[in-house]
Amino acid sequence: EVQVVESGGGLVQPGRSLRLSCTASGFKFGDYAMSWVRQAPGKGLEWVGFIRSKAYGGTTEYAASVKGRFTISRDESKSIAYLQMNSLKTEDTAVYYCTRGMDGYTGYDDFWGQGTLVTVSS
Amino acid sequence: EIVLTQSPGTLSLSPGERATLSCRASQSVSSNSLAWYQQKPGQAPRLLMYGASSRATGIPDRFSGSGSGTDFTLTISRLEPEDFAVYYCQQYGSSPETFGPGTKVDIK
Repeated sequence: EVQVVESGGGLVQPGRSLRLSCTASGFKFGDYAMSWVRQAPGKGLEWVGFIRSKAYGGTTEYAASVKGRFTISRDESKSIAYLQMNSLKTEDTAVYYCTRGMDGYTGYDDFWGQGTLVTVSS
Repeated sequence: EIVLTQSPGTLSLSPGERATLSCRASQSVSSNSLAWYQQKPGQAPRLLMYGASSRATGIPDRFSGSGSGTDFTLTISRLEPEDFAVYYCQQYGSSPETFGPGTKVDIK
């Protein structure tokens, strides 16, 4: 069974950092791009960014709202994708979902985790 | 950036009725790389359709997708009680990927 499970959310002060983890199982992690999507309370979905598979260079792309502050990485040996969030702002408060891409390059998100809540507040 | 607009914002229908949801893109979506997701309260989104008209695994055939270029439609032929939810379209053909604001289908 394909599963992705997020962890690492919590309450953090503005300007601080937080790292989210996404642990994958039930599929060959190295063959797929992994993405992060967020949803502010009561709002719609916002794409954050993704990391391609090693076959596609493990390259990353980000939304303009997080570029330069957020970094996505992956550990093939542990089947974990990470979202490093620096210089957090109150507007980054959201549930963060980890998703699996349709292939190693990009694409639609066919499996989603249950999400982890990040609250940025003083 | 491709901006997606969904209409209507809310669709109030009864079980058994047909639902037609629209997603319009500000520019042509590459290779019809358009997906639809369903989200129920307190749950993660679920993939319904990809490539504009292909159903994801396990999705019942009362869901269908159509369209190309800038205009796309999700149709639910006969609403079941479990179909009342929020529906989002997403384009994944060009970066940045973008989502529409969603259409809420609620019970009339």
